[in-house]
Amino acid sequence: DAGVIQSPRHEVTEMGQEVTLRCKPISGHDYLFWYRQTMMRGLELLIYFNNNVPIDDSGMPEDRFSAKMPNASFSTLKIQPSEPRDSAVYFCASSFANSGGYTFGSGTRLTVV
Amino acid sequence: DQQVKQNSPSLSVQEGRISILNCDYTNSMFDYFLWYKKYPAEGPTFLISISSIKDKNEDGRFTVFLNKSAKHLSLHIVPSQPGDSAVYFCAASARGAGNMLTFGGGTRLMVKP
Repeated sequence: DAGVIQSPRHEVTEMGQEVTLRCKPISGHDYLFWYRQTMMRGLELLIYFNNNVPIDDSGMPEDRFSAKMPNASFSTLKIQPSEPRDSAVYFCASSFANSGGYTFGSGTRLTVV
Repeated sequence: DQQVKQNSPSLSVQEGRISILNCDYTNSMFDYFLWYKKYPAEGPTFLISISSIKDKNEDGRFTVFLNKSAKHLSLHIVPSQPGDSAVYFCAASARGAGNMLTFGGGTRLMVKP
């Protein structure tokens, strides 16, 4: 298995533009998580899905953020409109049932100028 | 309100010596704890874990200690190697929390040759 695949690796966009981050979890994993890493807050959970259904989105900072998981092999995190304070590394992770541990993707480094 | 805290943002250790990374938590429902290691431009990778029914778990050079009464865990690396230089994240989960991990802010370990 190629692991959790995120795209793009880097994204530079102008303030006000829409940004879409993509994630392909490991096949067979039934949990998918979106995290954001910043210097100030470390790794913070934004939202997670179980069997493609959003379970907890309390970490999503504002209505500008939305996430979808249309099927078991794909998820998106969208920011519209983007702002400079959204600049961070966004990680997707997946896991199987109550295995306890996650497998992370390599992350998307987002820069909003 | 940070439920998992790593109070040392960075730690510098000489090669061959012991590295001790600390983590504190506040949620008494946490019953499973993990350490992740993160290199630059990569996603965090699982290192070692411990269940609340144990107070120690060892894997090669890495040992995690859990003190439930103090709500404290630590990761010991001995002997430390330059390749251990990375950011280490402590994480915790609670049974019934849907596989959700809460992460600390991370500690950057630098092992000097």
